[in-house]
Amino acid sequence: RKEVEQDPGPFNVPEGATVAFNCTYSNSASQSFFWYRQDCRKEPKLLMSVYSSGNEDGRFTAQLNRASQYISLLIRDSKLSDSATYLCVVNAKGASGTYKYIFGTGTRLKVLA
Amino acid sequence: SAVISQKPSRDICQRGTSLTIQCQVDSQVTMMFWYRQQPGQSLTLIATANQGSEATYESGFVIDKFPISRPNLTFSTLTVSNMSPEDSSIYLCSVRGQGSYEQYFGPGTRLTVT
Repeated sequence: RKEVEQDPGPFNVPEGATVAFNCTYSNSASQSFFWYRQDCRKEPKLLMSVYSSGNEDGRFTAQLNRASQYISLLIRDSKLSDSATYLCVVNAKGASGTYKYIFGTGTRLKVLA
Repeated sequence: SAVISQKPSRDICQRGTSLTIQCQVDSQVTMMFWYRQQPGQSLTLIATANQGSEATYESGFVIDKFPISRPNLTFSTLTVSNMSPEDSSIYLCSVRGQGSYEQYFGPGTRLTVT
């Protein structure tokens, strides 16, 4: 089982739609959680950190359920510019004892005009 | 967030040769990391570059193949040694923000080995 699992998609949605991505992680000792956005042939860019209480940034809402080891990202009123790959990232303690980022494989989103 | 630059941005190399990738940050950072992203895949951590000491490598990556230097708090290099076509990938450096676990990535170096 992968440490961080995401549905690879692609999710094809019309402009203005609401779309949700889910992510599950296997390490219950994971400390912090993030969503990154990666455009084609570009580096990942931090979209938002995910807090236990949930957090919202404009059209984006992230939620964390530690009991179920589950993270979600909701995008409302999708724009064409939201088309990208969304990476779920978990910061967990590795075998060496230090915390490191563990990436999901990413979920591709395509917003259609 | 830090501004991170990498050189070269891309290169095409022959098998058996080595390439050194540079990562420069505009501010002092404690933690710097090197990742690999193979075509169609997500990012895999190669090693943590430690200032003043040897890098910490992840399982599957060794110093002889990927030697790393970190001479100060704003600069690091990753060398891909004795390259083979399987090393064709994007190599990214990353830094951790001060006082948080958020990481920021350089633009990447796209390496093709022929």
